[in-house]
Amino acid sequence: AQTVTQSQPEMSVQEAETVTLSCTYDTSESDYYLFWYKQPPSRQMILVIRQEAYKQQNATENRFSVNFQKAAKSFSLKISDSQLGDAAMYFCAYRATGTASKLTFGTGTRLQVTL
Amino acid sequence: SAVISQKPSRDICQRGTSLTIQCQVDSQVTMMFWYRQQPGQSLTLIATANQGSEATYESGFVIDKFPISRPNLTFSTLTVSNMSPEDSSIYLCSAGDTENEKLFFGSGTQLSVL
Repeated sequence: AQTVTQSQPEMSVQEAETVTLSCTYDTSESDYYLFWYKQPPSRQMILVIRQEAYKQQNATENRFSVNFQKAAKSFSLKISDSQLGDAAMYFCAYRATGTASKLTFGTGTRLQVTL
Repeated sequence: SAVISQKPSRDICQRGTSLTIQCQVDSQVTMMFWYRQQPGQSLTLIATANQGSEATYESGFVIDKFPISRPNLTFSTLTVSNMSPEDSSIYLCSAGDTENEKLFFGSGTQLSVL
């Protein structure tokens, strides 16, 4: 069974600084997708970034980028130039390819952004 | 991206009653899922809502407790039956398309059972 582990329950970063959130996963599949979702107090799950396992290049979306290490089964999220609006719960998620595949989530990291 | 409307956004219910949560997507999607997020916890998949057939439930979830309908490619409902305080959670609908493999979420239903 696939598992996703986020070892940092809480993180804090100062505004305009950079922070990295860690995620590791376990799978026997060779092809899959990895995601980072953001959940602010509004409860809305917002897709931040997605990485296809077959791509070696790390995904980037504006201030958000990932460090994908397939051999190590590691998928960290880097947030640059942190903003107050980045404060939220961040969930790492895994999904195998295929129409019936589901998302498996990690336990989440609560990110605080301070002035 | 798909826009997902979920209602009600929150409700307070009495023990033993049932609540039906609706999920409407603004475009046809291949996949729809229902998740539960217990207080302070991560998301757990309840079931996959299959269009035109019975839902596929995950271990620990049964149809009698969480009946699901999906009459078409844009709409699904989840019913939480015979509720108890342990059912107090956020319930989230998600939907996506196999073409881009992205899944999007509704804003959730905050359920409190007294």
